[in-house]
Formats: sequence, structure tokens, C-alpha cells
Amino acid sequence: TQLLEQSPQFLSIQEGENLTVYCNSSSVFSSLQWYRQEPGEGPVLLVTVVTGGEVKKLKRLTFQFGDARKDSSLHITAAQPGDTGLYLCAGALSGGSNYKLTFGKGTLLTVNP
Amino acid sequence: GAGVSQSPRYKVAKRGQDVALRCDPISGHVSLFWYQQALGQGPEFLTYFQNEAQLDKSGLPSDRFFAERPEGSVSTLKIQRTQQEDSAVYLCASSLGEGRGYEQYFGPGTRLTVT
Repeated sequence: TQLLEQSPQFLSIQEGENLTVYCNSSSVFSSLQWYRQEPGEGPVLLVTVVTGGEVKKLKRLTFQFGDARKDSSLHITAAQPGDTGLYLCAGALSGGSNYKLTFGKGTLLTVNP
Repeated sequence: GAGVSQSPRYKVAKRGQDVALRCDPISGHVSLFWYQQALGQGPEFLTYFQNEAQLDKSGLPSDRFFAERPEGSVSTLKIQRTQQEDSAVYLCASSLGEGRGYEQYFGPGTRLTVT
């Protein structure tokens, strides 16, 4: 059983469309991070959210952390081909192992020109 | 400044061979992590160092896997008697501090293929 479930697993859209990807869990996280990974590269950190209900914006990307700190969403406005990549969410559980990130399987996004 | 670097970027090993994967973290980063990423999956935690101390090795799949960071900087992940199921991308990450709130920065990974 995956601790963090991401949906959808695959998403193919046209340039200019909006999209939302989801990251859900039954566990409470002390913090949650979103990464983007391109083929042959390591994940690149986009944002960290730590407070329930927190919303962060990064240009056309909007990240939200659920009130109960169990889920998160990433919304992209007016997607561009450069947004193509694997989007990973990763959570740190509360307690002594809060350094350890648990990743979801990711959402593979393709933005077609 | 330089990011996390890993070498080699690609490694092909015959089953039964030993391999050593190197990670150079960002200078001054206290924490270092190793992850394994299978095809189509997210990274999975292997082990965690705080300076030279290996504080958590709970994710290492078997006793064939061994990691060290003797001087609290460069780290090596060694896999003995490689098996086909060891084929994956091995990612190294470092962070400035310990625990929550310190963001992890990843290297490009080493893609290991065991034939």
C-alpha cells in the first residue's frame, strides 16, 4: 500500500489548458514537498508546505496543503510545454523520523504545443 | 554554487559484481540521503547520514548494500554481488540541517543496470 497516492498517474494536455494533480494520504505529515523530475535528472524542489491550509504560488503554479495536513494539490494555469515532466509529492511524517521523505509514484505530465 | 554531483552517471554491471556509487553533496550540508528509484516509481528512502554518522539505514534492501560517509562530506553507496533486481536509479540528496524544514536537494542520479 502506497503511503502517498498521486492522481492522475498520467496527464496529457494541450498548451494553454489548466490542470490539477492530487496527492492524498491517510497519514498526517509535518511537511510536504513537491518536486519536478525530468528524464535523466534528479527531482528538483518546487515548494515546501508545512501549515495546514497553506497556499503557495510559484508563477503559474499554485500549491495547497490540506487543512488536516493529509493531502495536497498542485494547480497549473495555462500550461506550457516546458511544464512537461514527472511531478512528485513527498511527505515527512511527524516524530523522530521527520527527516525521511516518503514519495508518491508521481504524475507524468505532457503538455503538447 | 555547485549542486549535488554523482558519479558515475551510468553503470553497467554483470550479475555478481560489486559496484560503488559516489555522491558529492553541496558544501556545508549536514545531512545526506540515498534513495533508490525504480522505473515508473517515486524515489524510495535507503539511508540517512548526519555528518559522518549513519543515523538510519532502515531502507537498505539487504546486507549487500552498504553506505559510508567517513569525513562527513562525500558518501559512497556500495552494492556487493549485484543482482538484476538492483537495477534502478540511485539518487543522492543533501540538506543544510537536520530534520523537518530543511529542504533536500537531489543530484542527477546514477543509473545502474545489472545484466
